[in-house]
Amino acid sequence: QKEVEQDPGPLSVPEGAIVSLNCTYSNSAFQYFMWYRQYSRKGPELLMYTYSSGNKEDGRFTAQVDKSSKYISLFIRDSQPSDSATYLCAMSPNTDKLIFGTGTRLQVFP
Amino acid sequence: DTGVSQNPRHKITKRGQNVTFRCDPISEHNRLYWYRQTLGQGPEFLTYFQNEAQLEKSRLLSDRFSAERPKGSFSTLEIQRTEQGDSAMYLCASSFEGRETQYFGPGTRLLVL
Repeated sequence: QKEVEQDPGPLSVPEGAIVSLNCTYSNSAFQYFMWYRQYSRKGPELLMYTYSSGNKEDGRFTAQVDKSSKYISLFIRDSQPSDSATYLCAMSPNTDKLIFGTGTRLQVFP
Repeated sequence: DTGVSQNPRHKITKRGQNVTFRCDPISEHNRLYWYRQTLGQGPEFLTYFQNEAQLEKSRLLSDRFSAERPKGSFSTLEIQRTEQGDSAMYLCASSFEGRETQYFGPGTRLLVL
């Protein structure tokens, strides 16, 4: 079993929809949680970072961490075609290496 | 701040050849990480440096792989006697020591024929 599980999708939604992306994990030592966006053939771009449990909002993006359930989420409001990309969750017990999920491919159609 | 840069962006080589990739981190970052990403998967950790010291190596990093960061600035990743299974995107990231946020470069895409 992988330490971080993420549904690979693809997830296809109409423009303007609210998108929910999720990851589950098994290592209770994880404290740092990130979401990266990766366009095709590009490097991952950091979107959101959260420490421990709680919510964090940045514009159209909201990240949630529920450590009791070992579950993290990323919500995208008013989704745009430019949001079409692969979304990677990543986490770490400390500030060293990141453990990534497989990524969820999102397609937002006009 | 020009971000993390990687060269070359693409490399095609024949099985058995050696290849070397370069990563230039964000200038004030003292940590540098290498990851490998295959199609449909998330990046997997290979190794990381703090300044010039290599602090951790993954078991994915076989004896054919070697990484250096001689002056604590840029880093090189060399793969000797390449195999078809080495075909992947090699990603470099950098961060401040003690900071959890890592910033990635565009990657070097390797194809071994």
